[in-house]
Amino acid sequence: AQKVTQAQTEISVVEKEDVTLDCVYETRDTTYYLFWYKQPPSGELVFLIRRNSFDEQNEISGRYSWNFQKSTSSFNFTITASQVVDSAVYFCALCPPMDTGRRALTFGSGTRLQVQP
Amino acid sequence: EAQVTQNPRYLITVTGKKLTVTCSQNMNHEYMSWYRQDPGLGLRQIYYSMNVEVTDKGDVPEGYKVSRKEKRNFPLILESPSPNQTSLYFCASSGGASGYGYTFGSGTRLTVV
Repeated sequence: AQKVTQAQTEISVVEKEDVTLDCVYETRDTTYYLFWYKQPPSGELVFLIRRNSFDEQNEISGRYSWNFQKSTSSFNFTITASQVVDSAVYFCALCPPMDTGRRALTFGSGTRLQVQP
Repeated sequence: EAQVTQNPRYLITVTGKKLTVTCSQNMNHEYMSWYRQDPGLGLRQIYYSMNVEVTDKGDVPEGYKVSRKEKRNFPLILESPSPNQTSLYFCASSGGASGYGYTFGSGTRLTVV
């Protein structure tokens, strides 16, 4: 069975602070995919990143960066110099190999990030 | 523009009154899926479809039906809605051409009273 744990239910920071959102996952698959999604107050799900299990390179996109560590089954997300517009719920998700039938995303319960001005 | 379109965005209905939430994608994706989102639970898969006329249950299928008669459409049907189906629903599609990325619709907020 697959499981994604986002232990931080809610985080509050002041603008310009750096913040890291934690994600720990469990899977028996040797190949899998990890995702991060942002859900702003308007409710839609915004895709942020997809990472293959065999690619452990960290990734940076502007103020966003992701640290994937297979040894600790973690896929943490850092926002540098946070802004009010970053306020949202962030979801980490896990997916089995894409060539399997169900291809279901297993989501964590989400972390609500509040960035205060 | 590549997108998944859900309708309606908001719906309030009464217990037992059949309803359909529509989902359409314009990316020629084989795979489509429905999720529901509830506070503290994240998103859970309701049903999925690997192609036309091929559908199967996800984690929480009770009380829902789906159909896939055309590749682009994947409606979610609640034959007799109950208050515990009050939730935020998302349709998603995925295909090889997009690197198996998922595209989500904008969501449908359903309230059953």
